[in-house]
Amino acid sequence: DGGITQSPKYLFRKEGQNVTLSCEQNLNHDAMYWYRQDPGQGLRLIYYSQIVNDFQKGDIAEGYSVSREKKESFPLTVTSAQKNPTAFYLCASRNRAHVGVLTFGAGSRLTVL
Amino acid sequence: KNEVEQSPQNLTAQEGEFITINCSYSVGISALHWLQQHPGGGIVSLFMLSSGKKKHGRLIATINIQEKHSSLHITASHPRDSAVYICAPLSWGQGGSEKLVFGKGTKLTVNP
Repeated sequence: DGGITQSPKYLFRKEGQNVTLSCEQNLNHDAMYWYRQDPGQGLRLIYYSQIVNDFQKGDIAEGYSVSREKKESFPLTVTSAQKNPTAFYLCASRNRAHVGVLTFGAGSRLTVL
Repeated sequence: KNEVEQSPQNLTAQEGEFITINCSYSVGISALHWLQQHPGGGIVSLFMLSSGKKKHGRLIATINIQEKHSSLHITASHPRDSAVYICAPLSWGQGGSEKLVFGKGTKLTVNP
């Protein structure tokens, strides 16, 4: 079945460490997105990529980095510069031909100890 | 002021009740999503609509573009409908690109 796979589902990190969250899709979607979700808040866009080898900052990109070397993959690195990284991270993708329709992954919950 | 306001924030219902969740937004939009997030965290898209009304099974979504308001209705609610429902208008961002703006969600609990 086609879909988006995020891993790991749960991740614990010590302060000062970088961590990378994986997002893989087999939907042949062009665009991919990373969102952050905090309790009581709406999803906020971190980074997005419309095509391979190109990506743009979202609303809260500071302390994060991404790459888009393959169409299927859009990993997110949470760097030590991110001041408050504990959150739930969601990856999404969409086919540019179907404007607005997003498919989401199951999410990754990062906790900084 | 938030660009997207949902009400109520929390809703508890008895099985079988008719449920309404409201969404008001202040941005210009081309369409609006209703999303469902289950306790495990994964999100599924229920509807994307740009006018009028859409129906899938027991779920009905309506939108009034002029009034910048959308509603999600659940008929004959069931405990498995318990989830967070998120309104997400699709607005125009910088450079003409589209941008999803998310509400904070409405947590629905349906008791048997």
